[in-house]
Order: sequence, then structure tokens, then C-alpha cells
Amino acid sequence: GAVVSQHPSRVICKSGTSVKIECRSLDFQATTMFWYRQFPKQSLMLMATSNEGSKATYEQGVEKDKFLINHASLTLSTLTVTSAHPEDSSFYICSARAGKRQPQHFGDGTRLSIL
Amino acid sequence: AQTVTQSQPEMSVQEAETVTLSCTYDTSESDYYLFWYKQPPSRQMILVIRQEAYKQQNATENRFSVNFQKAAKSFSLKISDSQLGDAAMYFCALTGNQFYFGTGTSLTVIP
Repeated sequence: GAVVSQHPSRVICKSGTSVKIECRSLDFQATTMFWYRQFPKQSLMLMATSNEGSKATYEQGVEKDKFLINHASLTLSTLTVTSAHPEDSSFYICSARAGKRQPQHFGDGTRLSIL
Repeated sequence: AQTVTQSQPEMSVQEAETVTLSCTYDTSESDYYLFWYKQPPSRQMILVIRQEAYKQQNATENRFSVNFQKAAKSFSLKISDSQLGDAAMYFCALTGNQFYFGTGTSLTVIP
């Protein structure tokens, strides 16, 4: 149980393109979903926290107009990287949890490469 | 403020031996949970073990066990009979109102 599906797993696109990443909890309802960015050999850096039906809470330094997050249902959250540039290239990973004291369950991540 | 500290950036262990990864934390909350996650080269985050702060008994999952010292705010992970597949980054995490990760420990398993 507790499966989180993240798509796509790999994206390569030109600078200026907008990229949408989906995160779905397949067998549980996720009250909260999280979006992380991870640089090589580093820990996960929390970008934003989203609760179903409300606006996402962004961490300091994360541009909300650049990284649009939508949490339309209890099983789906999307991250859209708008007008992506090479510096946005990274590994993005989402997670979901069923309740405040529950563990986070992670998607397999998306490797984004902007040319 | 909540913090999670992993003071060992890298560790190595001989196959079949036992290794302990350290984690200390600080929190002002009385109700919290602790987790260890494993991230192999595939970069998938895998939940290894969880510990409820209100439980005195240390959690165990097969070859993985924790030593939870609440007063010392310590939460170490012991891996017994290490296998090659245990090689990964290991992250300690704390959840209360938010979720906090440590900086990770890279574990190498030597054949």
C-alpha cells in the first residue's frame, strides 16, 4: 500500500518551455503533498507544501510564480515549472501523506533537463 | 525550532557486518514521529522504519532496528547482516507540524 506515482520520470526540453509534473497517491487520500528539489549528493530541499483545496505554502526563496502548484483533489497535485531555464534543471520529487503524524510516501522523482 | 542532524556524511561496512547510523534531533513538540528513509542510486525514497515518540520500545523491521533515546534526542539506525543492496543514502526525518530531514549519510557496503 501507500503508493505514490509521479510522472514524467524524465523531461528534456528547450529553455522557455513550461513543464508540468504530476503526483498521484494511488491507494490513499493525501491530505498533504510536498514538492522537493534535490541536487546531487544533497538532501531534499522542500519547495512547497500543498493541502487539498487550498493554496500551496512556499518555502523562503522559492518563486511561487515560477513553480506553480495545484492540489485539486486528495489524490493529485501538480507542479508546473513555468518558462523553464537551464538553472531549473534538477531532480524534483513529490511526496504525500495521509495525516499529520503519518510518514511521507514518495514518488520516483522527475529528472528535469533544460537545454 | 525543529532540527535533524546526521553527523556522519559517509559510512562503510563490510558485507554481513553490522553498522549504526547516527541521528540527533531537536523539537519543542511532545507528539512527534521519527523515520529513517533510504535513497538508493535509483533515487527512489524508501521508508525503512518509523518510531512513535510516545513508545519506549525500539522499532524493528527485519534487519533494521533503531535505538531511540528520547531524553538524549537520539535516533540511531542499526543495520544487521549488511547486504550489498543496503548501499544507499540514508535520511533521518522528524515529523511534527512539519517534516524535517537530516542531511543524509552515504552508506557503502564492501563485498
